[in-house]
Amino acid sequence: AQRVTQPEKLLSVFKGAPVELKCNYSYSGSPELFWYVQYSRQRLQLLLRHISRESIKGFTADLNKGETSFHLKKPFAQEEDSAMYYCALSGGYGGATNKLIFGTGTLLAVQP
Amino acid sequence: EAGVTQSPTHLIKTRGQQATLRCSPISGHTSVYWYQQALGLGLQFLLWYDEGEERNRGNFPPRFSGRQFPNYSSELNVNALELEDSALYLCASSLDRGGYNEQFFGPGTRLTVL
Repeated sequence: AQRVTQPEKLLSVFKGAPVELKCNYSYSGSPELFWYVQYSRQRLQLLLRHISRESIKGFTADLNKGETSFHLKKPFAQEEDSAMYYCALSGGYGGATNKLIFGTGTLLAVQP
Repeated sequence: EAGVTQSPTHLIKTRGQQATLRCSPISGHTSVYWYQQALGLGLQFLLWYDEGEERNRGNFPPRFSGRQFPNYSSELNVNALELEDSALYLCASSLDRGGYNEQFFGPGTRLTVL
């Protein structure tokens, strides 16, 4: 079954502390993995995707196929990082696989 | 560039009624996706339309249906509303150039079924 699991509903850290938002997935095949973010009163937006291997706003995520994980990391949290983070997967290229399967989200709260 | 727009912002219906939600994609985008975000269930894929045709459907009953118009805007219709249909419905759009294309999300329509 296709599934994305985010085990933490809430992650609270202090400003300057490292952040790791966990994401595990279940998919038979080669999925594409994404992190989406929703800041307060804003719409859901793409943060990063594994295939681009970029660092966005200091966040990185490495796809570990052996552990079927795609954890989101940032070495030093900022207050403006406080938001809801969703991990998602897509079944790869084209056809009927364009749908996104989302995890239930993790609320990151960065305390001053 | 205008983003994805959705209307109405809020919709209140009673059980058994029908609801119609609307979505206008980003100019130039041909694919429209619908997702349901019910409390505690996260975002669940509902429907994908591209070039006026339904391309994929999530695990929802047939009373959830929709269509895409020639201008690529889309409607989501929910018939015989049930209390558990209360949720935030998000629309997203993307280009369709083959492969995965980034989906851009609208602000959502909050449907409340009484």
